[in-house]
Amino acid sequence: GAVVSQHPSWVICKSGTSVKIECRSLDFQATTMFWYRQFPKQSLMLMATSNEGSKATYEQGVEKDKFLINHASLTLSTLTVTSAHPEDSSFYICRAMQGAAYEQYFGPGTRLTVT
Amino acid sequence: QKEVEQNSGPLSVPEGAIASLNCTYSDRGSQSFFWYRQYSGKSPELIMSIYSNGDKEDGRFTAQLNKASQYVSLLIRDSQPSDSATYLCAVKASGGSYIPTFGRGTSLIVHP
Repeated sequence: GAVVSQHPSWVICKSGTSVKIECRSLDFQATTMFWYRQFPKQSLMLMATSNEGSKATYEQGVEKDKFLINHASLTLSTLTVTSAHPEDSSFYICRAMQGAAYEQYFGPGTRLTVT
Repeated sequence: QKEVEQNSGPLSVPEGAIASLNCTYSDRGSQSFFWYRQYSGKSPELIMSIYSNGDKEDGRFTAQLNKASQYVSLLIRDSQPSDSATYLCAVKASGGSYIPTFGRGTSLIVHP
């Protein structure tokens, strides 16, 4: 199956700093990428949908100025958590869509801990 | 508001038994249904998809869909300790939507 990578796999940062998470589709072109957040024992919550070359569409309640998403190429999308706070500590997962809408692949996730 | 409901569990079954996981959804127009397995600290992996009423079997896994009753289930036969994980149900609506709604997941524990 198609491969999606995320970097870093885990990161610890201090409150007030910014963290960038990369999502790459390694062997296919992803026209659309989705960013999810998952708190412990909770479901996946869609944060935003990004299409290559255009602005991301954010879900209700997600601060677009805090969670900056860039989808500059067909193989790379980045999520930057700006001025991170402890409540932003979570598991962030990207999902890349290839071709038909049914072909969607999760990245391995990034564990963010803000101290 | 589209909702996908799952019992959070944990569901505990002995090794070799059948594990039955259930999911209900609110959007009657839903067309595509998925089961994902998520190990602790890992991202979900797709294990089954089903689109029409009835059963779909893949190895030890069987997905069952009943659109009239708005539920989808996953049966795992001959459960193994390695099946211990959280199982997420995901549902996609019709009308060209390509964003599924995920349930909270059911934790399954298979004990030796």
